[in-house]
Amino acid sequence: AQTVTQSQPEMSVQEAETVTLSCTYDTSESNYYLFWYKQPPSRQMILVIRQEAYKQQNATENRFSVNFQKAAKSFSLKISDSQLGDTAMYFCAFPLRGGSEKLVFGKGTKLTVNP
Amino acid sequence: DSGVTQTPKHLITATGQRVTLRCSPRSGDLSVYWYQQSLDQGLQFLIQYYNGEERAKGNILERFSAQQFPDLHSELNLSSLELGDSALYFCASSVVGRVGTGELFFGEGSRLTVL
Repeated sequence: AQTVTQSQPEMSVQEAETVTLSCTYDTSESNYYLFWYKQPPSRQMILVIRQEAYKQQNATENRFSVNFQKAAKSFSLKISDSQLGDTAMYFCAFPLRGGSEKLVFGKGTKLTVNP
Repeated sequence: DSGVTQTPKHLITATGQRVTLRCSPRSGDLSVYWYQQSLDQGLQFLIQYYNGEERAKGNILERFSAQQFPDLHSELNLSSLELGDSALYFCASSVVGRVGTGELFFGEGSRLTVL
């Protein structure tokens, strides 16, 4: 079965510090995308960053970067210089294939940035 | 603002009732996805439509149904409501039919409370 696992239900970090959120997944596919979505208290889901599995270079979007380890099926999100506005639920997501085009989401990690 | 519009934002109803949730995708997006977010199940894919036709089905109950109209807006119908149907229902849209290659744009969700 293809699954996404986020093992950290909650995390906290001090403003301006760096935090890493973990995600592991399981798939038999060879080419795929991985996503990190953010859900702030306003509850809207927002795409933070996307990684293409066939690219060896880790994706980066401003203060957000990923550490993608394809062999280990690990896809962690690093947030540098954390800001109060980064407080949110973060979901790792992975699209299934084999005729199904749904995104499978992890259970999420609740991140709190403290002043 | 993602460009995806969902109505209503909040809805309170009683068990056994029927409700309809509405979604207007971003201009130009042909695919619409429905997700259910509950505290215990996390984000669950329900169903996807592409240009008016059902494309993929997830964990959607038989009491639930959806459709996409010629103007591409979509409706999710929930009937014989139970307490356990209380959740946040998200609509998302994307340009392409295969979510694995494109970004999902989420609406703000419809919060359904069944009393």
